[in-house]
Amino acid sequence: DAKTTQPTSMDCAEGRAANLPCNHSTISGNEYVYWYRQIHSQGPQYIIHGLKNNETNEMASLIITEDRKSSTLILPHATLRDTAVYYCIVRVNFGNEKLTFGTGTRLTIIP
Amino acid sequence: GAVVSQHPSRVICKSGTSVKIECRSLDFQATTMFWYRQFPKQSLMLMATSNEGSKATYEQGVEKDKFLINHASLTLSTLTVTSAHPEDSSFYICSARDPSGESYEQYFGPGTRLTVT
Repeated sequence: DAKTTQPTSMDCAEGRAANLPCNHSTISGNEYVYWYRQIHSQGPQYIIHGLKNNETNEMASLIITEDRKSSTLILPHATLRDTAVYYCIVRVNFGNEKLTFGTGTRLTIIP
Repeated sequence: GAVVSQHPSRVICKSGTSVKIECRSLDFQATTMFWYRQFPKQSLMLMATSNEGSKATYEQGVEKDKFLINHASLTLSTLTVTSAHPEDSSFYICSARDPSGESYEQYFGPGTRLTVT
């Protein structure tokens, strides 16, 4: 799987939009961008994924650049419960392809 | 989304003993489950891929005789840490994909914190 680069940590004020960047400059044409988050001492939680189009669900929006070399996860109205480590992962979508976790971004929501 | 459970959530054992951790898919059948290990302040590291009815596939550097994986049914995989030592103390997490779904996201269990004294 291609590697990703994320900032180590970020802060965001409660109620504001949290924008988490991810670089994946070596992504292949058949690799998707996945985002997971892990709240302290819990298992990771799936957030969203996309191939090349922007995606939105009830949790977040995913913006992928046209060249697909980077993406941004947007939490539109951050709450204290969004404090977690956010992982950006690229992988192909077939069978049971494994996930390879990097170091992620530790997002802290400030009251 | 689909639900994956783990049991126990916490376990303390003495050095030299064995510990079994269960991973269950509660509302779907999972032909493949994954086992991860996470040390404090570190990321998740994949240990092995558990395949129903066949042998698990271990990642490089993971001792298959120490971390025994059994996937005897479509809803249950077990990880047994044999002859546990303090350095095996870690957070163990399993995941599974619902093959009947259209997407390929994995669903993770809540994790099991193992402490070896």
